[in-house]
Order: sequence, then structure tokens, then C-alpha cells
Amino acid sequence: AQSVAQPEDQVNVAEGNPLTVKCTYSVSGNPYLFWYVQYPNRGLQFLLKYITGDNLVKGSYGFEAEFNKSQTSFHLKKPSALVSDSALYFCAVTDGGSYIPTFGRGTSLIVHP
Amino acid sequence: DGGITQSPKYLFRKEGQNVTLSCEQNLNHDAMYWYRQDPGQGLRLIYYSQIVNDFQKGDIAEGYSVSREKKESFPLTVTSAQKNPTAFYLCAAGQFTEAFFGQGTRLTVV
Repeated sequence: AQSVAQPEDQVNVAEGNPLTVKCTYSVSGNPYLFWYVQYPNRGLQFLLKYITGDNLVKGSYGFEAEFNKSQTSFHLKKPSALVSDSALYFCAVTDGGSYIPTFGRGTSLIVHP
Repeated sequence: DGGITQSPKYLFRKEGQNVTLSCEQNLNHDAMYWYRQDPGQGLRLIYYSQIVNDFQKGDIAEGYSVSREKKESFPLTVTSAQKNPTAFYLCAAGQFTEAFFGQGTRLTVV
């Protein structure tokens, strides 16, 4: 079985400060990891993914994520937050055997002006 | 949202009524999925289909049914057996390493 944990329901950060949204995972094989963003009453938009290779993955809108195999984590980061980054963020994992992603509960990011 | 069209955007259901949510894709992906989203619970998988004429139950399939007669279409029927259908429903289509989502349908029981 595969699972994802997003330990924070909400993250608050001031505009211009760095942000981190945490994600840990459990999967039997090699993990394929994803971050998606959701704005109110909209579908999910893909941000970035880790399949293999470099542990630091760069994605859309200046976001990046670091894969840490020993800590089974895939935290989302951005060096300087924008108010427009305020949204709901989902981490997802699949073992790559069959693409059926399991999503975390989501973390609400609030960036204050 | 990457060629996934869900309709309607808002849907109201009376008690005891079946309703069908539409999902169409023009991305030519074999796999399609239905998720239910409730506040604080994230996305939960209802049904998925990895090929035409075949589909599998997800984690919360009770009270729902699907069909996959065409590659581009994966409609979801919320039956009267689903006792708490009020939620936001998301359809997705995927290739091996990425899923593309529709804009969602918000279903409300009245």
C-alpha cells in the first residue's frame, strides 16, 4: 500500500519569505512523487515531479522540491513567497508499477502581504 | 486544465435521484480517474480505468458507477445508494508520470 502524509493543515508565511510545505510518503517500490496546486473551486494543476535522477526538482512558478530517500520526504519549497501563491497544495505518490496516485490531505498555504 | 472537460460545473440532486457527471478528454490518455474531494480529507479515489471497457473500484466506490465505452469519455453516476454525495468531484486523465485534472463538478443534495 502507498500513502502520503502532509503534517500541516495550514502554513502561514509573509510575502518575500521562503516557504516550505512538508510531505512524507510510504511506498513499497521506488517512489514517483508529485506536487499539485489547487485554487478555489478549480481542478488541480501540476507543479513538479520526481521520477529519478537529481534529488532537487525544479517546477512551475519558481517552486522546487527535494527528494530525501532516507527520510522518505519530498518537501515543496520556494525561496520567496508571493501573495498569489496562496492556495491548497497536494503531494501525491505512486510506486510506478501502475499509475494510480495516492494524494495527501492537502496543505493550505497562506501568504500574507 | 490540459484538455479535460467536466460538466456541469454545479449540479443539484434531490434525495433518491441518480445523477451523471460528465468527463471528456482530448489528450489521448488510456487511464482516467474519478476523485472525490471533501474539506480536510484530500482526494479519495472512487473509480479508475486504465483501458477502454475496463474499470476498477477505488477506495470509496460504494454508491457510484462508471462506464468506459470510449477512450475519451469516463462518466460517473452518483446513485441514490450514495448517502452523502455532497462534495467536489474531480476527473483526471493520466500518462505514466503525470495526471491532468478537469475543473471539477460541485454536487449538492437539496
